[in-house]
Amino acid sequence: DADVTQTPRNRITKTGKRIMLECSQTKGHDRMYWYRQDPGLGLRLIYYSFDVKDINKGEISDGYSVSRQAQAKFSLSLESAIPNQTALYFCATSDLGTGPYNEQFFGPGTRLTVL
Amino acid sequence: AQSVSQHNHHVILSEAASLELGCNYSYGGTVNLFWYVQYPGQHLQLLLKYFSGDPLVKGIKGFEAEFIKSKFSFNLRKPSVQWSDTAEYFCAVNEDGGFKTIFGAGTRLFVKA
Repeated sequence: DADVTQTPRNRITKTGKRIMLECSQTKGHDRMYWYRQDPGLGLRLIYYSFDVKDINKGEISDGYSVSRQAQAKFSLSLESAIPNQTALYFCATSDLGTGPYNEQFFGPGTRLTVL
Repeated sequence: AQSVSQHNHHVILSEAASLELGCNYSYGGTVNLFWYVQYPGQHLQLLLKYFSGDPLVKGIKGFEAEFIKSKFSFNLRKPSVQWSDTAEYFCAVNEDGGFKTIFGAGTRLFVKA
């Protein structure tokens, strides 16, 4: 079984709709992240969380919100989707600590299209 | 602010050619360095990582990378590429113990059979 799972894997929606992307992990990691990937721009951090009580904005948080329901679950919401939010979204996890613990483990991604 | 630059956005090679993908970062402190690979239609997977010790790091599938601290570089190499190496490669930097990993824009590698 995959350690980091994302649902849905693909979603097509219309401008103005509210969308939730979900992420679950079985790695027991405290840190969870949401990124979006756009061609030529690499991965950009949307939000990150160090535990259920700690939520932080990343570099491109406008238009997004998150919820850390449990250590294992981290959801990303688009309150009112717009076309330039069309992208590939990845959830990732990492352990606490330094050095090798900073490796991130990625989910399979959610391809979101906003029409 | 930290940043990561990957020199080539697209690379096309024939099988058996040697590969070197450049990566430079800007941060003066202790860093952890990563190369991730994303095969077509798949999620990112760790190729190799450096956090301390020998600056020449060996990863999976015959890849290696060399950390040159004085040049703020972490270039990825493979002596002989295969068609199955066709993928997008991302260099990433994390301040040691820090909370954010900064990714480069990625390099798309296409290997001709």
